[in-house]
Amino acid sequence: KAGVTQTPRYLIKTRGQQVTLSCSPISGHRSVSWYQQTPGQGLQFLFEYFSETQRNKGNFPGRFSGRQFSNSRSEMNVSTLELGDSALYLCASSLTTSGNTGELFFGEGSRLTVL
Amino acid sequence: KNQVEQSPQSLIILEGKNCTLQCNYTVSPFSNLRWYKQDTGRGPVSLTIMTFSENTKSNGRYTATLDADTKQSSLHITASQLSDSASYICVVSPKTGANNLFFGTGTRLTVIP
Repeated sequence: KAGVTQTPRYLIKTRGQQVTLSCSPISGHRSVSWYQQTPGQGLQFLFEYFSETQRNKGNFPGRFSGRQFSNSRSEMNVSTLELGDSALYLCASSLTTSGNTGELFFGEGSRLTVL
Repeated sequence: KNQVEQSPQSLIILEGKNCTLQCNYTVSPFSNLRWYKQDTGRGPVSLTIMTFSENTKSNGRYTATLDADTKQSSLHITASQLSDSASYICVVSPKTGANNLFFGTGTRLTVIP
């Protein structure tokens, strides 16, 4: 059974640009959540989608957005990139919403560097 | 304010030794507590999930304990191996009504030969 796939794995952008990251969950999983991980802050919750609907949102500015498609694949977009957006962006999928006891399966992440 | 705090921040131990990592949380009411292992440059992998009614759960050489009264959890690693070198992250889920997960900043464990 294929795991969670995130693309691209690495990317470099410059300030002011925008970026789109993609996440394909495990087959059959309907929940996809996104996290930003930086050395100083640890993992921080961005948002969660379940059956194409955003179920919850963390405390990030509106430059961070996402969506989920009917096949459960999800994308997140960051516009007007800032240096502080450099981070590892992780996607996780689960059968049910992340707050339940269902296990979260993480992808390998997309490492974004903003110059 | 809901928080999850882990200690120590980093730890170095000799191969074959045991170690214990701590997690204190203020999330209330809480639904479950999870421990994840994250190798450098990889995504976290689940080690254990415990509900508030469970006080211990094992996964091979990893044993997690939970004291819901004191809001403390620990992860004990027995007979450490070089491959245990990783960050260990404690994650707490609030009870139903909110789907946010609260993450600790992790303990960076280094096992040396």
